[in-house]
Amino acid sequence: DFVLTQTPLSLSVTPGQPASISCKSSESLLHIDGKTYLYWYLQKPGQSPHLLISEVSSRFSGVPERFSGSGSGTDFTLKISRVEAEDVGVYYCMQGIRLPLTFGGGTKVEIK
Amino acid sequence: EVQLVQSGAEVKKPGESLKISCKGSGYSFTSYWIGWVRQMPGKGLEWMGLIHPGDSDTRYSPSFQGQVTISADKSISTAYLQWSSLKASDTAIYYCARHGRATGSYFGQGTLVTVSS
Repeated sequence: DFVLTQTPLSLSVTPGQPASISCKSSESLLHIDGKTYLYWYLQKPGQSPHLLISEVSSRFSGVPERFSGSGSGTDFTLKISRVEAEDVGVYYCMQGIRLPLTFGGGTKVEIK
Repeated sequence: EVQLVQSGAEVKKPGESLKISCKGSGYSFTSYWIGWVRQMPGKGLEWMGLIHPGDSDTRYSPSFQGQVTISADKSISTAYLQWSSLKASDTAIYYCARHGRATGSYFGQGTLVTVSS
């Protein structure tokens, strides 16, 4: 099974400052179709998770431009250019190259 | 608009059986995998398994194989998660989610299952 390791476990960020979350996979997420199936989700307090980014770097409809994803193979990063109060919650990476799907352990983002 | 509407909260005793549901609408139910994600109190997200309603192909995560049953009735666009004998450790929120490689996963509102004597 794929193992996704996220770091850090938690972040406390001053509004307006950047934040970065790492996700490392135990195996390459590059599919034979040439695409890399790594997703990022945000679960706000008391809510269901929702998609932020698909295929490493494609922002989902309505996701602010301050969110960006990058990486390849086994190493990936989610960046928030300027954190806002509404960005609090737990961020998860997820692999979609092979079933069953698997999540990283999550990174909790709080506002200072 | 894609919607996944899950059944309501349940309170059960250890040893009891349970089947919870998730009805999809706003998309072709047989064209996407649909599965279940567990979130234990204060913990992260865990995929339990997925089913493809088009051909009933079902894949379980190793930790959940043999512990639960995932099924789907494509005639009513509904997926199910079933336990034959609940344990206290099954207390969690269970999310259904539709998954497509190009679209990622879309989650339902969650069903809280509480197992307590």
